[in-house]
Amino acid sequence: SQTIHQWPATLVQPVGSPLSLECTVEGTSNPNLYWYRQAAGRGLQLLFYSVGIGQISSEVPQNLSASRPQDRQFILSSKKLLLSDSGFYLCAWTRGGSTGELFFGEGSRLTVL
Amino acid sequence: RKEVEQDPGPFNVPEGATVAFNCTYSNSASQSFFWYRQDCRKEPKLLMSVYSSGNEDGRFTAQLNRASQYISLLIRDSKLSDSATYLCVVNGPNDYKLSFGAGTTVTVRA
Repeated sequence: SQTIHQWPATLVQPVGSPLSLECTVEGTSNPNLYWYRQAAGRGLQLLFYSVGIGQISSEVPQNLSASRPQDRQFILSSKKLLLSDSGFYLCAWTRGGSTGELFFGEGSRLTVL
Repeated sequence: RKEVEQDPGPFNVPEGATVAFNCTYSNSASQSFFWYRQDCRKEPKLLMSVYSSGNEDGRFTAQLNRASQYISLLIRDSKLSDSATYLCVVNGPNDYKLSFGAGTTVTVRA
């Protein structure tokens, strides 16, 4: 069966510090991978998606970046965090070539102080 | 205009009541429609897909109205465990992107 793991679950970071969130999917190959952010009381905002290794599409301009070094690994990074980067970050995957069900990781709750 | 819009609620209903709410979408070419459920501080999980002819899953009924570009969710015989935020999801301008509404909060009281 397929599983998705995302870590860390919770982190508190000072403004200006770097960020790295990691996500891995198991039990499938060539998935579409996504990073979403959910600010408090707001909907999910798509940040990045990837349909293959090294292929990253960015949805919104910001100080975040994403990388897909391996087929089932998706990393969200920032060199310098802003207060506005606080939120609930969710990694998700779908089967390649489809817009079927999105399977989410358990999320990473980031607080920037 | 937002791609997907929902009434945020909250809808406060007693146990056993029926509650229904809609979601509108802007892209007339959308082909995939879903309802997700999100519990407080948890990740969203698929509740049900929405098919053109409408579909039912137990106490939950989903409808699609392409002409008016909205989908609906109806919950019959509400249970306390139905309390959650319900997210409307529609595929966007390209096939790889799913757009989420901000969610409709439902609270079922005893």
